[in-house]
Amino acid sequence: GQNIDQPTEMTATEGAIVQINCTYQTSGFNGLFWYQQHAGEAPTFLSYNVLDGLEEKGRFSSFLSRSKGYSYLLLKELQMKDSASYLCAVSDSNYQLIWGAGTKLIIKP
Amino acid sequence: NAGVTQTPKFRVLKTGQSMTLLCAQDMNHEYMYWYRQDPGMGLRLIHYSVGEGTTAKGEVPDGYNVSRLKKQNFLLGLESAAPSQTSVYFCASSPRVTGANVLTFGAGSRLTVL
Repeated sequence: GQNIDQPTEMTATEGAIVQINCTYQTSGFNGLFWYQQHAGEAPTFLSYNVLDGLEEKGRFSSFLSRSKGYSYLLLKELQMKDSASYLCAVSDSNYQLIWGAGTKLIIKP
Repeated sequence: NAGVTQTPKFRVLKTGQSMTLLCAQDMNHEYMYWYRQDPGMGLRLIHYSVGEGTTAKGEVPDGYNVSRLKKQNFLLGLESAAPSQTSVYFCASSPRVTGANVLTFGAGSRLTVL
């Protein structure tokens, strides 16, 4: 079967750095996405990785290792507004998105 | 530019009642999707459409029907609502399915079935 695993909840301090991990087992791979979802709102796109390595976009970076079935989202200089759920999703061989349950990130002052 | 608009935002139904969720996008996207989101679970695809007049089943299609009569609209119907259909429903659209098919989501519709 297809499976996406990510931690249920993480806590970090304002100004710090946090890494949210995602491991996956899917039938085929056509890219990995990270979305941010604030409570009661819609998911919004953060990043896309299809090749191994690190993609940096401002305070957010995303890393992919296809051989390990592993990705992480790195958030630097945390701000209170980064409190949200972070969803990992993999595009499988049919280009269908398989979603993880999301990681709720709590930022403390 | 409104993006993806869903109506209604909230609805309470009694078991056995029917209703339709409306989704409209103004980005000229080819693909549209209906997902449900439940606590502790990932988004699950109900139905999707790759173009006007075409629809296909997703992961959890039972109890739902859809129609895409116009490119900009994607309707999700519940013929006989059940408590198991209590959920938050998200509509999404994307310009293509290959490569980085970034989805744009609507704000969600929270449905409670009593």
